[in-house]
Amino acid sequence: EAGVAQSPRYKIIEKRQSVAFWCNPISGHATLYWYQQILGQGPKLLIQFQNNGVVDDSQLPKDRFSAERLKGVDSTLKIQPAKLEDSAVYLCASSLGRGGTGELFFGEGSRLTVL
Amino acid sequence: QKEVEQNSGPLSVPEGAIASLNCTYSDRGSQSFFWYRQYSGKSPELIMSIYSNGDKEDGRFTAQLNKASQYVSLLIRDSQPSDSATYLCAVDEYGQNFVFGPGTRLSVLP
Repeated sequence: EAGVAQSPRYKIIEKRQSVAFWCNPISGHATLYWYQQILGQGPKLLIQFQNNGVVDDSQLPKDRFSAERLKGVDSTLKIQPAKLEDSAVYLCASSLGRGGTGELFFGEGSRLTVL
Repeated sequence: QKEVEQNSGPLSVPEGAIASLNCTYSDRGSQSFFWYRQYSGKSPELIMSIYSNGDKEDGRFTAQLNKASQYVSLLIRDSQPSDSATYLCAVDEYGQNFVFGPGTRLSVLP
């Protein structure tokens, strides 16, 4: 079974530039999460999708971050314009059932460095 | 967002010893509790889940849950150098998503 795919693995940009990350969850997984993990901290939820609907985006900085999950499958997370404090690993995860239940399967992450 | 706290690390134990990792949470309504292991530069991977009060054993790992005290722990018996990693506690929030603790870095010394 293929795992959660993410790209790019690494991205270096200057502040005020834009960046986009892509995620393809495990086939059949209804719930998709984007987490931000700053070095030395635990993952922080940015946005959660159930199929193609948003369940929770309360911690997404909506003035600069946006995300979509078209057709309830893959998802894109965009940051525009980037700030220095956005330097982090962006983890995509998926789960079979509804959010808050069952195992999360994580992708390898996309490491963003903002200079 | 609800709080999940873990004992601050790093925690160092000698090879063969028991490592004890602790986690407390603020949401009394939480029902699902997970321990993830994260090696440096890698993504988290699930090692244990627990839903009921008491102990749950899986090989060298034992998860303990006490909902009244809002406390969950992970014991690693016969610790090996390959257990050196950051351990993340995750707790469900309103049964909708998961809140992660800050993690505890464990070092098992040969």
